[in-house]
Amino acid sequence: AQKVTQAQTEISVVEKEDVTLDCVYETRDTTYYLFWYKQPPSGELVFLIRRNSFDEQNEISGRYSWNFQKSTSSFNFTITASQVVDSAVYFCALSPEGTSGSRLTFGEGTQLTVNP
Amino acid sequence: DGGITQSPKYLFRKEGQNVTLSCEQNLNHDAMYWYRQDPGQGLRLIYYSQIVNDFQKGDIAEGYSVSREKKESFPLTVTSAQKNPTAFYLCASSPRSRNTIYFGEGSWLTVV
Repeated sequence: AQKVTQAQTEISVVEKEDVTLDCVYETRDTTYYLFWYKQPPSGELVFLIRRNSFDEQNEISGRYSWNFQKSTSSFNFTITASQVVDSAVYFCALSPEGTSGSRLTFGEGTQLTVNP
Repeated sequence: DGGITQSPKYLFRKEGQNVTLSCEQNLNHDAMYWYRQDPGQGLRLIYYSQIVNDFQKGDIAEGYSVSREKKESFPLTVTSAQKNPTAFYLCASSPRSRNTIYFGEGSWLTVV
């Protein structure tokens, strides 16, 4: 069985602070994908990143960065110099390789509020 | 613009009535999905379809039905058998060969 845990239910920061959202996962599959999605107040889930279990390189995209550590089964997401527009619910998700959305397991999400 | 369109955005239903949520995509994706989201919770899979005229139950299919007569369309019917239908419903799609799924804007269903 798969499981994704996002222990931080809510995080509140002041604009320009850095913030890290934690994600810990459990799986018996040897190959899998990890994802992060952003859900703004409008409701749509916006795809942010997909990471293959073979690739443990960290990734940076603008103010966003992701730290994948297979040894600790974690895939943490950091926003640098946060902005009010970053306020949203962020979901971490996991799926076995090759299964697409039919076996996509989501965490319960972290509500991030960035205050001006 | 390419994307996934869900309608209506907000829907109210009386107990005992069936209601159908529409989902259309013009991304030429083979697979389509329906998820349910309850307040403060993650997403749970209701049904999915990998190809036209075929679909499979997800984790919480009871009280729901779907059809996939066209590649671009995957409507979800919430039947009167669904005991707690009030929720946010998200449709998604993906190319057959890749794992990333993309979501529509969602539909809020409230039973009154």
